[in-house]
Amino acid sequence: SQQGEEDPQALSIQEGENATMNCSYKTSINNLQWYRQNSGRGLVHLILIRSNEREKHSGRLRVTLDTSKKSSSLLITASRAADTASYFCATDGGGYSTLTFGKGTMLLVSP
Amino acid sequence: EADIYQTPRYLVIGTGKKITLECSQTMGHDKMYWYQQDPGMELHLIHYSYGVNSTEKGDLSSESTVSRIRTEHFPLTLESARPSHTSQYLCASSEGGTANEQFFGPGTRLTVL
Repeated sequence: SQQGEEDPQALSIQEGENATMNCSYKTSINNLQWYRQNSGRGLVHLILIRSNEREKHSGRLRVTLDTSKKSSSLLITASRAADTASYFCATDGGGYSTLTFGKGTMLLVSP
Repeated sequence: EADIYQTPRYLVIGTGKKITLECSQTMGHDKMYWYQQDPGMELHLIHYSYGVNSTEKGDLSSESTVSRIRTEHFPLTLESARPSHTSQYLCASSEGGTANEQFFGPGTRLTVL
């Protein structure tokens, strides 16, 4: 299994602070994706980073990928209360493989 | 907002009942997926499909079955529900390309008494 493992399991910060979540995986990947899930809802795709990319930005999100360490990080800058959610990384081995999701990080942003 | 729909959103039923969870998407995606997720836990892939008449079992063994007769429709059926089936079921779809970004429905929260 190339299941991702997020770290930390839970994170509590104040509005305006930055939040960093990490993901480690076990086998080679084609790309790595980050998803967000609000309580009791489906997941929403945030950003995809390919195996030949090292960093990617989308609005307040910054994702890095280190394939030598088999790890990725998601940084949310200037967090808002609306960012409160669970965040999952998912690895794609390419070809006909399916996504494998990690256990997720629960982020709580307090006003 | 993803064009993928799941019904019902909530279902409470008794043990032994047959149930079908509906999932439909209007994006013309070839690939569709069913995940099972317990509260606060990771997603487990239970079924997926590459297209019409294609169904595959996922990583987590499940007593449910699926069918894919039409591109847009991927229902999941439990012939005889048990309390151990209580969970949230998430449906997703993706295009047939290599990026494999998945679009999720809102989920069905199933409780079997």
